[in-house]
Amino acid sequence: DQQVKQNSPSLSVQEGRISILNCDYTNSMFDYFLWYKKYPAEGPTFLISISSIKDKNEDGRFTVFLNKSAKHLSLHIVPSQPGDSAVYFCAASSTVTGTASKLTFGTGTRLQVTL
Amino acid sequence: EAQVTQNPRYLITVTGKKLTVTCSQNMNHEYMSWYRQDPGLGLRQIYYSMNVEVTDKGDVPEGYKVSRKEKRNFPLILESPSPNQTSLYFCASSFMGQGNQPQHFGDGTRLSIL
Repeated sequence: DQQVKQNSPSLSVQEGRISILNCDYTNSMFDYFLWYKKYPAEGPTFLISISSIKDKNEDGRFTVFLNKSAKHLSLHIVPSQPGDSAVYFCAASSTVTGTASKLTFGTGTRLQVTL
Repeated sequence: EAQVTQNPRYLITVTGKKLTVTCSQNMNHEYMSWYRQDPGLGLRQIYYSMNVEVTDKGDVPEGYKVSRKEKRNFPLILESPSPNQTSLYFCASSFMGQGNQPQHFGDGTRLSIL
């Protein structure tokens, strides 16, 4: 049972345009969401996160939007740059104090930014 | 430089031959974890450790063992590897293991079990 879903395996965007990567989740206990970026032959690196008490978090060119009622989040990259070409993973957790909070990952979306 | 180091990066071996993938972090993190990445399945957690001598199963622990004798090291052991364990493996660490603490990942170990 895939609790975190990224339904688009790939996305191609022109340089300078907006990239929108989507993620859906089913577990209503998830209250913290993270996006990771992965280049080939490297491990995932943390990009941006959002708590369920917010609906938006922005960091430079990257903005994450959370719609709790729809159990949906999205990552916006504006403007897209060739160096953004990578696989993006959405991850979710339930921040239960005092226990190891398990990260549940989506299947990833491969973003290609073309010139 | 803060990092998570995995070794080896690549390994081709045969069914049944015990192997160990090492993982070491230099950030004094208490939490460490192992994941495997398979096409169409994303990253799935194998085992995690909250601290020295404290380990627990993740989603897909079958066929794997771990140990945490020192804070910095968290080796993954395949006692009798099988072809279905062919995968890309990642070790990760974070300060306390809370869900709002981003995990730092190693660069991965690609295992092929023939």
